[in-house]
Amino acid sequence: QVQLQESGPGLVRPSETLSLTCSVSGGSVSSGGYYWSWLRQPPGKGLEWIAHIYSNGNTNYNPSLKSRVTISVDTSKNQFSLKLISVTAADTALYYCARLFLGYSSSYFDFWGQGTLVSVSS
Amino acid sequence: DIVLTQSPGTLSLSPGERATLSCRSSQSVSSSYLAWYQQKVGQAPRLLIYGASSRATGIPDRFSGSGSGTDFTLTISRLEPEDFAVYYCQQYGSSPPITFGQGTRLEIK
Repeated sequence: QVQLQESGPGLVRPSETLSLTCSVSGGSVSSGGYYWSWLRQPPGKGLEWIAHIYSNGNTNYNPSLKSRVTISVDTSKNQFSLKLISVTAADTALYYCARLFLGYSSSYFDFWGQGTLVSVSS
Repeated sequence: DIVLTQSPGTLSLSPGERATLSCRSSQSVSSSYLAWYQQKVGQAPRLLIYGASSRATGIPDRFSGSGSGTDFTLTISRLEPEDFAVYYCQQYGSSPPITFGQGTRLEIK
């Protein structure tokens, strides 16, 4: 059973950088066919996909956040990370990491972390 | 951009009843790339349906998905108490590559 665990600061100051790491156990970030993703959910609102990355470093970003986001993967640590620069209160959300299966005939998020709440406030 | 619109926003039903949740897309979506998730309070989303109609591992057969093109449906044949939650549809495809509907809240009547 694949497990994902987010970690990082729960409070970030406005204009600073949000940095989160997702540790993967029970599976490998190098597994073929899977992409490693970040999503977020503002309090009381719906889900927003942020970005995903393949083990070879190929990335895909939500155009609405692309200018501020960097996703990276560390296969030696079986982790992947998110950086979001110049944060504002609008970036306050529950941040999830998840595994994305992307095949020729289907695509879905099958394993999720429990989520970590990041608040942007001075 | 592909926009997924879910209806109704809130559905009030009793255990044992049938629930029908709709997900409509602003553009045609490949059925292969339409998924449904259930999210309970304080929990991460759980995959229910992928490929529009295939149940994920461990999902009871009272959950079924159907549809194609721009109209997709999640049906729960007989509601159990644990089914009351928020449901999201999600597509993979055009820019942005991944979008979710705004969710349907299924509440106990």
